[in-house]
Amino acid sequence: GESVGLHLPTLSVQEGDNSIINCAYSNSASDYFIWYKQESGKGPQFIIDIRSNMDKRQGQRVTVLLNKTVKHLSLQIAATQPGDSAVYFCAENMRRRDDKIIFGKGTRLHILP
Amino acid sequence: DVKVTQSSRYLVKRTGEKVFLECVQDMDHENMFWYRQDPGLGLRLIYFSYDVKMKEKGDIPEGYSVSREKKERFSLILESASTNQTSMYLCASSLSKGGRYEQYFGPGTRLTVT
Repeated sequence: GESVGLHLPTLSVQEGDNSIINCAYSNSASDYFIWYKQESGKGPQFIIDIRSNMDKRQGQRVTVLLNKTVKHLSLQIAATQPGDSAVYFCAENMRRRDDKIIFGKGTRLHILP
Repeated sequence: DVKVTQSSRYLVKRTGEKVFLECVQDMDHENMFWYRQDPGLGLRLIYFSYDVKMKEKGDIPEGYSVSREKKERFSLILESASTNQTSMYLCASSLSKGGRYEQYFGPGTRLTVT
């Protein structure tokens, strides 16, 4: 069935190190992907997106990599800071008429001092 | 900046009550969505709307209804609240443009049904 999932439910990273959060998707028809960040007590916040005609996109301290061959998406956060502590969700939109996106379960990122 | 607001951050209701959750967006987005978020289950789509007076069922519409009388406002209604509807409810809006579908979320309403 359709699903978007993450490899690890929890990730602990030392402050200052780089973080890599992974996501696997199952639908090869998906053509648009998004990463969201959700801090405690808040709604999800858009971080970065990527279309299927790209394999890499960079933002401020974040990079998203897309490997369509193995249906894998990753979010890299450079020089992780305490403010990066949150749950990160990947989401996908399949190439169809509506604007629904399907969310993964999320990975909680813990920053170690 | 897009702003999506929800009428309440916390709400406590009794079983059987009718509950209204309101959502307003200020960016003239066509699309609006209601999700619930539960531990271990992620975000699940309840209903969505592409236009005024238009609605479509999401993945878990049972026990819920929606209303969109104005473009900026999307209401979620629990006709007769039950304890299994205790959850975090998130509203989102999006503007379909250039093949991008990012949704902008409100802060959420944590509903407890006792």
